[in-house]
Amino acid sequence: LAKTTQPISMDSYEGQEVNITCSHNNIATNDYITWYQQFPSQGPRFIIQGYKTKVTNEVASLFIPADRKSSTLSLPRVSLSDTAVYYCLVGGNNNDMRFGAGTRLTVKP
Amino acid sequence: NAGVTQTPKFQVLKTGQSMTLQCAQDMNHEYMSWYRQDPGMGLRLIHYSVGAGITDQGEVPNGYNVSRSTTEDFPLRLLSAAPSQTSVYFCASSSGTGYQPQHFGDGTRLSIL
Repeated sequence: LAKTTQPISMDSYEGQEVNITCSHNNIATNDYITWYQQFPSQGPRFIIQGYKTKVTNEVASLFIPADRKSSTLSLPRVSLSDTAVYYCLVGGNNNDMRFGAGTRLTVKP
Repeated sequence: NAGVTQTPKFQVLKTGQSMTLQCAQDMNHEYMSWYRQDPGMGLRLIHYSVGAGITDQGEVPNGYNVSRSTTEDFPLRLLSAAPSQTSVYFCASSSGTGYQPQHFGDGTRLSIL
């Protein structure tokens, strides 16, 4: 099982771009990288997923270097409502993926 | 479209009591799973199912039973509740058994005295 390492917490201000980096040195060839967002008293919500290079959707971008040993979730122009815990997961199957403690992002006015 | 529905939302049990947490999804998803989340921690996988009639253990299965008689439902049973099982429980489903994104319910907050 690929282990992931993320910062425990990050602070930002409204309107800024936020980049959260996840380290996964022992990622396997068939592993995907998936990011979830969790608000208090709610279940996690899927944000974005990728295998290599760059993936972008309406919410975020995911940058994955060629060696795939890390990935960066980029949130453009954050707002107060983006305050949440963000989890990086790595695996080839949902039952292989492990949620770590995540990164607690606090967006300030 | 309700997605993943968990009941009850809150429950208090006494040590030794049994209980079933209900989970239902209306997306015709094959894969379903149960997680527990303790304060300040990420989610830990308890049990999962890749289809009706098929279940398997996750990371922390002890003290919990599951069954999958239909595609829609995946109940989690606590046979003899212990204070260590006080947690928030989340059910999730996805369209496949691989890396497909999971859809989570809003959780059941369980306290065991």
